[in-house]
Amino acid sequence: QKEVEQDPGPLSVPEGAIVSLNCTYSNSAFQYFMWYRQYSRKGPELLMYTYSSGNKEDGRFTAQVDKSSKYISLFIRDSQPSDSATYLCAMSAIRGKLIFGQGTELSVKP
Amino acid sequence: EAQVTQNPRYLITVTGKKLTVTCSQNMNHEYMSWYRQDPGLGLRQIYYSMNVEVTDKGDVPEGYKVSRKEKRNFPLILESPSPNQTSLYFCASSSPGAPLHFGNGTRLTVT
Repeated sequence: QKEVEQDPGPLSVPEGAIVSLNCTYSNSAFQYFMWYRQYSRKGPELLMYTYSSGNKEDGRFTAQVDKSSKYISLFIRDSQPSDSATYLCAMSAIRGKLIFGQGTELSVKP
Repeated sequence: EAQVTQNPRYLITVTGKKLTVTCSQNMNHEYMSWYRQDPGLGLRQIYYSMNVEVTDKGDVPEGYKVSRKEKRNFPLILESPSPNQTSLYFCASSSPGAPLHFGNGTRLTVT
């Protein structure tokens, strides 16, 4: 079993839809949770960064962490064609190595 | 502008011909790392460095070498490339405990 599981998609939604991206993990020591966005032919860029459980909101993006279920989510409201990218979840324990999910390819159609 | 710079962006080479991919960061980060990204396998760590002259193996170090003689530079060396090293490579850096900053990648093809 992989430490971090992420549905690779691809996921295709119409413009304006609410998008939900998810990852599950098995290591209960993970404390730091991140979402990266990767456009084609570019490196991953940090989108959201949360510590421990709870929600964090930044504009149209909301990150949720449920440590009891070992489940994290990224919600995108009012999705735009410019949100089309691959989204990678990543997590680590304190002072631990960053472990990435496989990435979910998202396409938002005008 | 704060950035991680990799060169070259694209590289086609033949089996056995030694190559180096350079990585430089201008953020004074202690931590640097190399990843390869392959379809269906995601990002896998090759080597990392906690500081100058301190390097360690990641998950897939076979066939690769690194060095960290200066804080800003972390080159990746393939002494005898093979076709199974055809991949997209990313260098990344960070301060301790902070999120990683990635370069824009090097697409390597080994024929």
